[in-house]
Amino acid sequence: EPEVTQTPSHQVTQMGQEVILRCVPISNHLYFYWYRQILGQKVEFLVSFYNNEISEKSEIFDDQFSVERPDGSNFTLKIRSTKLEDSAMYFCASSLLAGATDTQYFGPGTRLTVL
Amino acid sequence: ILNVEQSPQSLHVQEGDSTNFTCSFPSSNFYALHWYRWETAKSPEALFVMTLNGDEKKKGRISATLNTKEGYSYLYIKGSQPEDSATYLCALSSGYSTLTFGKGTMLLVSP
Repeated sequence: EPEVTQTPSHQVTQMGQEVILRCVPISNHLYFYWYRQILGQKVEFLVSFYNNEISEKSEIFDDQFSVERPDGSNFTLKIRSTKLEDSAMYFCASSLLAGATDTQYFGPGTRLTVL
Repeated sequence: ILNVEQSPQSLHVQEGDSTNFTCSFPSSNFYALHWYRWETAKSPEALFVMTLNGDEKKKGRISATLNTKEGYSYLYIKGSQPEDSATYLCALSSGYSTLTFGKGTMLLVSP
């Protein structure tokens, strides 16, 4: 069964460093998302991406964040200068369509630890 | 800001017990409610998408109901098994592609 994959599973970085989190969405999906969950808090939406453009983003997704689909398979989230509060589990998701009833399929997450 | 709440926060039952938990959400601007099952170190797995008031969905021993007028959904597990141990997340869709999640209910089923 097709699945969303994410690498690495765990990333440790120093404050101020750049990190790139990688995702391979399900191959025929058209819409891609990043969410994050800070420990003990709710899963929060960061950004959605379609047709090589950001379609929606939350207030969390500021200038320190960027997303890219560099080739036909990968979808990346870059954090330019990490802060302690960026420590969280980052989930990638994809969906075939983007309606309210369309299922978003999630990857297993990348746990980012900023020291 | 949409507020999706889940209760209880955690639940510990014995194998064979039936259990249920609640997801509450604002009833205005409702489009769909999604339930996910998330086991540690695995991908959250989609269980149900529910849209209509009175909807009932079933998948094996797990079922869910939806009341959009009062803004809640129940998830039921009949005859819990240790493999049902996971965090159960509900998420609201309000017409956009974004999902607004609750904090989840962590279920532990002891043999």
